[in-house]
Amino acid sequence: GAGVSQSPRYKVAKRGQDVALRCDPISGHVSLFWYQQALGQGPEFLTYFQNEAQLDKSGLPSDRFFAERPEGSVSTLKIQRTQQEDSAVYLCASSFSRALAKNIQYFGAGTRLSVL
Amino acid sequence: AQKVTQAQTEISVVEKEDVTLDCVYETRDTTYYLFWYKQPPSGELVFLIRRNSFDEQNEISGRYSWNFQKSTSSFNFTITASQVVDSAVYFCALLGTGANSKLTFGKGITLSVRP
Repeated sequence: GAGVSQSPRYKVAKRGQDVALRCDPISGHVSLFWYQQALGQGPEFLTYFQNEAQLDKSGLPSDRFFAERPEGSVSTLKIQRTQQEDSAVYLCASSFSRALAKNIQYFGAGTRLSVL
Repeated sequence: AQKVTQAQTEISVVEKEDVTLDCVYETRDTTYYLFWYKQPPSGELVFLIRRNSFDEQNEISGRYSWNFQKSTSSFNFTITASQVVDSAVYFCALLGTGANSKLTFGKGITLSVRP
């Protein structure tokens, strides 16, 4: 596609509910990243995929957070038993090159998650 | 650990004024990359510029210019003759190497340009 696409744009969940957020990266992009952006803050790294391999998940805040990219394209970020502190915008980014340090990451518009 | 500090939180200017957004970074890596992104109300982060640590040449792109100074660990962004469409949140970010190969963002600066 023309850009990184994320769905849904908005998600309201009751505390304890499981949610799944989808990211469709730019076609041909090898690397995919998830970030969490709290209100009034900069994005914070959650996890990174190179093709289908999850190479870094050091930013995932708890074992309730799980990400996958089974076929090396679309990725899903799943949050189990959501808590109020999970309320944030979840941003997905993709980049073309395998050389991580030289990449430009292109971002989607994000999914705004509100946990009530 | 890497750190990016954007000390300014909100800036308000009148259209056609020049405005400079400050960014100070910390890293122990000798090779690193600095970025500026713009986040309009739609929410999508828009890439503006990337600079590597070995290139201190200043860059100008239309009304935008960037001043990278390793001696002060700063990467400042100037908008000349600001326009209402420049209103957005601007983020400075740092990408290191090895274990630091992930974007570290500052808290962002909210720029409001009034007509």
